[in-house]
Amino acid sequence: GQQVMQIPQYQHVQEGEDFTTYCNSSTTLSNIQWYKQRPGGHPVFLIQLVKSGEVKKQKRLTFQFGEAKKNSSLHITATQTTDVGTYFCAGRNAGNNRKLIWGLGTSLAVNP
Amino acid sequence: EAGVVQSPRYKIIEKKQPVAFWCNPISGHNTLYWYLQNLGQGPELLIRYENEEAVDDSQLPKDRFSAERLKGVDSTLKIQPAELGDSAVYLCASSLGTSGQETQYFGPGTRLLVL
Repeated sequence: GQQVMQIPQYQHVQEGEDFTTYCNSSTTLSNIQWYKQRPGGHPVFLIQLVKSGEVKKQKRLTFQFGEAKKNSSLHITATQTTDVGTYFCAGRNAGNNRKLIWGLGTSLAVNP
Repeated sequence: EAGVVQSPRYKIIEKKQPVAFWCNPISGHNTLYWYLQNLGQGPELLIRYENEEAVDDSQLPKDRFSAERLKGVDSTLKIQPAELGDSAVYLCASSLGTSGQETQYFGPGTRLLVL
């Protein structure tokens, strides 16, 4: 079945360093969403990418959708302690099945 | 605007007991989701409703889990009987529309511990 793989599983950085998480799908996606979950919290929507090659920015966060619409990345520039949490990608199948398939997430820890 | 409301927030029960979770989605959201999330894992979809119709329940363990959304608004997820492996966070989410591109808004979740 369709799978969405996310790497790395964990990342520990020093405050001020950059961070990137990658998401890869076994099938072509119609769109991909990114969510952030703080420790003890619930997933909160960050952004949705729909177009091939799309790049969107939110302050220090840069999101990319691959040309083949099978991979995506989230890059954080100059991490801060408020960036701590688990970042999930969730891809929606390009076929008739509109199920959202979630990656396992990348847990980010930031040392002050 | 109120977000997705879930109750209870925490529940501790003994195995073989029944348990029920309640969710009230954001007003006007016609799509409702129940997810299960284990520690260190991503959310796993249990069931998705469009209005009162369950359009995807392929991952719902129907021998012990049931759900309903009778009037297309709030929803109840039930487990009977609960097993030790059911300990997890049960998340409810809602979205507006059914095009497949909607943002999902999550509630705070119900943390279930089965002893």
